[in-house]
This record gives sequence, C-alpha cells and structure tokens, in this order.
Amino acid sequence: DAGVIQSPRHEVTEMGQEVTLRCKPISGHNSLFWYRQTMMRGLELLIYFNNNVPIDDSGMPEDRFSAKMPNASFSTLKIQPSEPRDSAVYFCAGGTSGSSYTGELFFGEGSRLTVL
Amino acid sequence: KNEVEQSPQNLTAQEGEFITINCSYSVGISALHWLQQHPGGGIVSLFMLSSGKKKHGRLIATINIQEKHSSLHITASHPRDSAVYICAVDPDKLIFGTGTRLQVFP
Repeated sequence: DAGVIQSPRHEVTEMGQEVTLRCKPISGHNSLFWYRQTMMRGLELLIYFNNNVPIDDSGMPEDRFSAKMPNASFSTLKIQPSEPRDSAVYFCAGGTSGSSYTGELFFGEGSRLTVL
Repeated sequence: KNEVEQSPQNLTAQEGEFITINCSYSVGISALHWLQQHPGGGIVSLFMLSSGKKKHGRLIATINIQEKHSSLHITASHPRDSAVYICAVDPDKLIFGTGTRLQVFP
C-alpha cells in the first residue's frame, strides 16, 4: 500500500486565493483526520471524519475553512479566502477508530502552505 | 496549563546514550500515542498504549495510568534517532504535546 497520499506537497499562494488540499487515505481505514502544524501552536486537530461523516469540526478555525469526504477514498480541505496566518503544514491522517478511541494513526507527508 | 506536557523540550545526547522523554497529562484517556517527526517533516506512529509497557527494537514506551504519566526510552541511541518526539493522548480525539526535539551526535 502506498500509505496516506496528500497533495500538493507544497503550495504558495497569495492572500485571498482559494486553496484546496487533498488526501487519499489507506484503503480500509474508517477514520480520517486533518491536522495543522505551526511553530507557535504545534499540532492541532481541525476536523475528523468517521465512516465519511464529520464527527468533530470544533478545531476548524473559522468559516473560511471547510472539509469534505465524499467517499472513503478521498477528502479535501478548502480555505477560501486564504490569509497569511493560514500558513502551516497540513497533515492528513487515517486509521481504524471506534466511537471513543482514535486507534493507531497513519500520517501523510503533509502539505506545506504558504500564503503571501 | 496544557493538557499534555512533555519534558524536556530539547535534548542532546552522544551516540550510545540511554534517552528518556517524559509525558504528563491531565485528562482521562483511552490511549496514549508516541509519534516521531523526522527533520523532513513526516510523522510516524511509534506506539499506542493504554497500560504497561511496549517495546519495539531499541524503543520502549511505558505508561502509568494512575499517575497520568508516560515515558519513551531509547536505548543505545544513534544519530538517526534525531527527530521530534510527540506525545498525544486520546480522550476521544488526539491532544498533542509540544514535542521533544532530540539530537544525537556521533
């Protein structure tokens, strides 16, 4: 298996532009997580899906952020409009989770976003 | 106060030394994770444990649920162990510590 695949690996964009990050989880995993990592705040959970359904989006910073998981093999995280403070590395991770536990996680390589 | 505290924040060692990284948490959990983040940025899950001890090669992780404390040990450290080690606890979603940056010199 190729592991969790994220794209793009790097993105540089200008403030105000729309950014779409993509994630393909490992086949068979029922949970998918989007995390953001910055120097100041470390790793933070943005949203997680279980069986394609958003379970907890309390970490999504504001309405400019949205995430979808239309099927078990694909998820997107969209920022519109982007702002410089959104610059970070965005990780997608997947695993096999239950209702009250996360289970072992498999991380993608991350998407490094720079908003100028 | 952070719900997950790691110590030390930074650690340097000579090759071959025994290394301990500590993690304390303040919430009830179902499991605790140790993650490794390489200088290139990729994150790898090392351990997930809810009690006792686990061992994988030169890495050992222990947890004391009553004391809400976990340790990650590296025996016979090697320069390739240089990375950031992150503790994360799982009440029902992961809460991350800020990481311990380890540098092992030859």
